[in-house]
Amino acid sequence: SAVISQKPSRDICQRGTSLTIQCQVDSQVTMMFWYRQQPGQSLTLIATANQGSEATYESGFVIDKFPISRPNLTFSTLTVSNMSPEDSSIYLCSVDLAGMHGDTQYFGPGTRLTVL
Amino acid sequence: GNSVTQMEGPVTLSEEAFLTINCTYTATGYPSLFWYVQYPGEGLQLLLKATKADDKGSNKGFEATYRKETTSFHLEKGSVQVSDSAVYFCALSDFTGGENKLTFGTGTQLKVEL
Repeated sequence: SAVISQKPSRDICQRGTSLTIQCQVDSQVTMMFWYRQQPGQSLTLIATANQGSEATYESGFVIDKFPISRPNLTFSTLTVSNMSPEDSSIYLCSVDLAGMHGDTQYFGPGTRLTVL
Repeated sequence: GNSVTQMEGPVTLSEEAFLTINCTYTATGYPSLFWYVQYPGEGLQLLLKATKADDKGSNKGFEATYRKETTSFHLEKGSVQVSDSAVYFCALSDFTGGENKLTFGTGTQLKVEL
């Protein structure tokens, strides 16, 4: 498996501001993913982030709202821009260790965001 | 498209009871199947997986068998403990187009009481 950390673990933010969430992995991985888990709900994929290319966003998610960086093979950031209370969720990053463990994704501990 | 259907929760059991959480799936190809567990206040942890028909995944006393004929991947444990209280997510992985995309079920909350 992999050791995945996220910062911050939680935050409370004001409406209209932006928050950048960091995801760090202890090994080099090609594919990283960002998910949103709204209160009491399942996980929804926001985007796939491959190093050296633009992130691929799922339907309903746009780059202006959720810009993603992937500067190297161990790190990625997700920014939640111009936040509203509807953005209150847990945001999780995951990595695909394909080639080491097949097609399994391993998840970080999540960032719990509350927007007032 | 792909989809995963889980039984509704919460499921409340007494300690040492038998657990079954049903999961069925719809997929166009030959997906891998997973169970993830989310303990209160934490992220997701991989519990077990199966990559082809008739495979059985197992971990920590939990088991699930990949049944292609019934498109199911039910989670079972013979004797649950209070520490098993968590939300359990069934998921499938579709490697279409070279990207590993996970589709999750809605999650089933398990509460185990003394």
